[in-house]
Amino acid sequence: QSALTQPPSASGSPGQSVTISCTGTRSDVGGYNYVSWYQQHPGKAPKLMVYEVTERPSGVPDRFSGSKSGNTAFLTVSGLQAEDESDYYCSSYAGRFTWVFGGGTKLTVL
Amino acid sequence: VQLLESGGGLVQPGGSLRLSCSASGFTFSDYPMNWVRQAPGKGLEWLSNIRAETRDVYYADSVRGRFTISRDNAKNSLFLQMNSLEYEDTAVYYCARDLRVAFDHWGQGILVTVSS
Repeated sequence: QSALTQPPSASGSPGQSVTISCTGTRSDVGGYNYVSWYQQHPGKAPKLMVYEVTERPSGVPDRFSGSKSGNTAFLTVSGLQAEDESDYYCSSYAGRFTWVFGGGTKLTVL
Repeated sequence: VQLLESGGGLVQPGGSLRLSCSASGFTFSDYPMNWVRQAPGKGLEWLSNIRAETRDVYYADSVRGRFTISRDNAKNSLFLQMNSLEYEDTAVYYCARDLRVAFDHWGQGILVTVSS
């Protein structure tokens, strides 16, 4: 149950696109199409942004998109807006009803 | 959908605490549920899952044998019994609903502080 690897920080200017990576193993990210992404503002509970690698819950802007290649998943935020500045966490199903999270990425909108 | 945790607070090392999560706005008995925690300034850590139908339970290695998850579907409630608490268990604890193998709704979180 080792944590997934995310870059500690990412940044972009308003209107630009930024992609955050999430690297695991064949036992989690690479083994299942059950990667999800969460946005967490300071002092708040996490919010689901993407599930099943590419799916967006109702109400999440289509500026947020997910993808996966091998053992690495990606969250892309297009058309960056000031309110996108937040911490982002990936999570993957790891089998036998267990999950693992990434260490989190702080996204800064310049 | 609303999830509301309670039962947190200050506890000494080696002590016990029982967290509760009250659910409303959905058919609680239809959904698996989870506990996730976040140590101060740190990332999220999945702790435990309880299935809806079978009530089978699953744990992260870090808490297996010390923490026990349970649920009372008649009272729309989820619980986490935490024993043998350690300094490293200090965190905000969240309950989260499981939908499509993701955590689609979260409580506001409850702080547990382990300190002498």
